[in-house]
Amino acid sequence: DAKTTQPPSMDCAEGRAANLPCNHSTISGNEYVYWYRQIHSQGPQYIIHGLKNNETNEMASLIITEDRKSSTLILPHATLRDTAVYYCIALMSPRNAGNNRKLIWGLGTSLAVNP
Amino acid sequence: NAGVTQTPKFQVLKTGQSMTLQCAQDMNHEYMSWYRQDPGMGLRLIHYSVGAGITDQGEVPNGYNVSRSTTEDFPLRLLSAAPSQTSVYFCASSYRRQGSAGYTFGSGTRLTVV
Repeated sequence: DAKTTQPPSMDCAEGRAANLPCNHSTISGNEYVYWYRQIHSQGPQYIIHGLKNNETNEMASLIITEDRKSSTLILPHATLRDTAVYYCIALMSPRNAGNNRKLIWGLGTSLAVNP
Repeated sequence: NAGVTQTPKFQVLKTGQSMTLQCAQDMNHEYMSWYRQDPGMGLRLIHYSVGAGITDQGEVPNGYNVSRSTTEDFPLRLLSAAPSQTSVYFCASSYRRQGSAGYTFGSGTRLTVV
């Protein structure tokens, strides 16, 4: 499974866009890029995922480079409630769950949104 | 929908005691899994199941048992609790189809073994 690398922490001003980078240079062709976030003491929350194309939903946008070696999660107008740890994971579909047993989540990026 | 429900939310055990952490989902998800989360470490997969009657080990399975008799339920059993099992435990579920949306997590069970 591809390993991902994220900066340990980032700051963002409330109302501004938060751009969270992730490197996944060893990602394979059938691995999706998933983003989750974990607000203090709660269970992780799914945000968005993509394979090759950029994706957008009501929470965020995901920009994946053409070579798929890196991606950026964009929170367009960060609020104080977006303060959380954000995890980027290269993950095969659960259909291939047997390959996920050694999936390493890593420590993610701790995003602090400041007033 | 209730999503993924974990019980109990908090538990204190004495070393050597056994207990079962409950996990139930009402989304008809085929895939269910258990993770533990310790300070300074990421989520680590304990056991997972791709459907009723099918379970397999994850990264850190020792000291834990699971079973999946129904699609909805995936209990995690601690056979003889040890202080090293003090952790926050999360249950997660998802569909298995290719490219499906990610895991839905429960709110966690905070376990302390003394």
